[in-house]
Amino acid sequence: GENVEQHPSTLSVQEGDSAVIKCTYSDSASNYFPWYKQELGKGPQLIIDIRSNVGEKKDQRIAVTLNKTAKHFSLHITETQPEDSAVYFCAASMANYGQNFVFGPGTRLSVLP
Amino acid sequence: ETGVTQTPRHLVMGMTNKKSLKCEQHLGHNAMYWYKQSAKKPLELMFVYNFKEQTENNSVPSRFSPECPNSSHLFLHLHTLQPEDSALYLCASSQERAVSYNEQFFGPGTRLTVL
Repeated sequence: GENVEQHPSTLSVQEGDSAVIKCTYSDSASNYFPWYKQELGKGPQLIIDIRSNVGEKKDQRIAVTLNKTAKHFSLHITETQPEDSAVYFCAASMANYGQNFVFGPGTRLSVLP
Repeated sequence: ETGVTQTPRHLVMGMTNKKSLKCEQHLGHNAMYWYKQSAKKPLELMFVYNFKEQTENNSVPSRFSPECPNSSHLFLHLHTLQPEDSALYLCASSQERAVSYNEQFFGPGTRLTVL
């Protein structure tokens, strides 16, 4: 089955700097890669996703890149702000077969003022 | 708010107690999920319901018993739990399982502590 690894487990950056979180997956059939943000006391919330037919997607300060050959994808946050502090989870699935998400273990991002 | 509510938000129970967790979604979705979130571990999928029918049970011990009376409500009945069952239990919903690229909407979770 699918296995998703995520690095780093914790990340601290200064406000205004960029943050990068990387994930690798094992099943080459996976074709959908969402990223979820979980703030303290809340459930995970989708922030961006990418399908395997594109290599990059951007939404304001966040972007995701996908390398299908290497089976890894990354989340990039630019101009970080204190409200970006949260736990971020990547996931992989075979979306068009209605398969379940397999989540990475999470990255705790702290943005220091 | 995500449109998915969970009650109670916090629960402390003894190993011999029986309790239930409740989830309700106001999004018109037809698929609902229970996840377990333990410290430093990935989210673990427990159960999946699609149009009120259980489609997946990820080898979850029988002391956890799900119930889905309709597409808007999902329960997790708890009985004779162990301390290692202490975790955050998250409910999620999405459009029916056959829809591709299905975003899952999560509730805030129930923080369960088993003494």
